[in-house]
Amino acid sequence: AQSVTQLGSHVSVSEGALVLLRCNYSSSVPPYLFWYVQYPNQGLQLLLKYTSAATLVKGINGFEAEFKKSETSFHLTKPSAHMSDAAEYFCAVSDHNAGNMLTFGGGTRLMVKP
Amino acid sequence: KAGVTQTPRYLIKTRGQQVTLSCSPISGHRSVSWYQQTPGQGLQFLFEYFSETQRNKGNFPGRFSGRQFSNSRSEMNVSTLELGDSALYLCASSLGQAGVGSYNEQFFGPGTRLTVL
Repeated sequence: AQSVTQLGSHVSVSEGALVLLRCNYSSSVPPYLFWYVQYPNQGLQLLLKYTSAATLVKGINGFEAEFKKSETSFHLTKPSAHMSDAAEYFCAVSDHNAGNMLTFGGGTRLMVKP
Repeated sequence: KAGVTQTPRYLIKTRGQQVTLSCSPISGHRSVSWYQQTPGQGLQFLFEYFSETQRNKGNFPGRFSGRQFSNSRSEMNVSTLELGDSALYLCASSLGQAGVGSYNEQFFGPGTRLTVL
């Protein structure tokens, strides 16, 4: 079964600093990969997805992620953090034969200091 | 186009009771999936319905069940509630069932927060 590991349950950055949220998956066959963001008392919003096209994926709100097969990683980055980026971020994977089922990582809570 | 709606948004029940949660997908979407989110276990897949048929099921006890209606609206039911069932239940809709080698983007609702006392 697929598993997803997000290193760091809490990450704190200063406003304007680089944001780096780490995600590693377990499959030997590259799955579909996603990053979602969740604001308090809300559902999940898709930031970006990798579906075997370009390895560098650009998403909404200035986020991007790079798929690295050799490292089984899909880390999320943003060059300059904004206060509004404070939220919980989830990495998720979907196997090619798993239908629409998503397997999520444990989540990383991003805090942005002024 | 309206997003995924879930009702009710908040619910308080006591142990032993049962509960039914409702999800209305985006218009035209035929697949509905349910997830449970808890601080301890994180986000876990419950089940997926497509065209009124359960297509996929997560590792949850039989107390958790669901169904989908002909208009694609879905309900999930939890019987004999336990304290550990307290969670945010998220529903996600997508256009259709993904085949091998394809994926349909899922759109999540705001969730129903269930508290079991």
